[in-house]
Amino acid sequence: AQSVTQPDIHITVSEGASLELRCNYSYGATPYLFWYVQSPGQGLQLLLKYFSGDTLVQGIKGFEAEFKRSQSSFNLRKPSVHWSDAAEYFCAVGNQAGTALIFGKGTTLSVSS
Amino acid sequence: EPEVTQTPSHQVTQMGQEVILRCVPISNHLYFYWYRQILGQKVEFLVSFYNNEISEKSEIFDDQFSVERPDGSNFTLKIRSTKLEDSAMYFCASREGTSGHTGELFFGEGSRLTVL
Repeated sequence: AQSVTQPDIHITVSEGASLELRCNYSYGATPYLFWYVQSPGQGLQLLLKYFSGDTLVQGIKGFEAEFKRSQSSFNLRKPSVHWSDAAEYFCAVGNQAGTALIFGKGTTLSVSS
Repeated sequence: EPEVTQTPSHQVTQMGQEVILRCVPISNHLYFYWYRQILGQKVEFLVSFYNNEISEKSEIFDDQFSVERPDGSNFTLKIRSTKLEDSAMYFCASREGTSGHTGELFFGEGSRLTVL
């Protein structure tokens, strides 16, 4: 079955510390992978995406993610977290066709000072 | 920058009432979607729409739900007889249909539905 797993429900990171949010997927076809961020009361904003080429992708707000096919993973990283990064982060998988994206359950990021 | 817009931002309704949520997708996009997010839970796929018909739907999208593209710009989600468990944030999304696109969905800011 196609699915996305985000093992960490809630993570707290000190401001300035590094961050890694985990994402594992199960998908029959060649996956297109996405990370979206949702601030409280807001919609979903795309942080970055992978669909081909370099397996390390750069996104907005200083985020990056690395696609590892052998591990079926697409972990999100940021070297230095800012208080404004506190939000809900969703990993999603899809393909080039019009099929719907499948989302993980999300990871809530809290940033402590 | 083009964006997906949704109305209303918040609707409160009584159980059993009909609700229509409206969305204006990005103008050159061809695929349209509705997702919902119950408070504190994950984003769940409801339905996708392409070429004026439903292309895919989830088990959540039962006979109480319907979608329509009544004109060239709007995309609506109708819930015929709302239940308490329909209370959620409903997100509309759209994407391009041209070859070579990256599969990215562009989401609206959501319509919060509260069923009393």
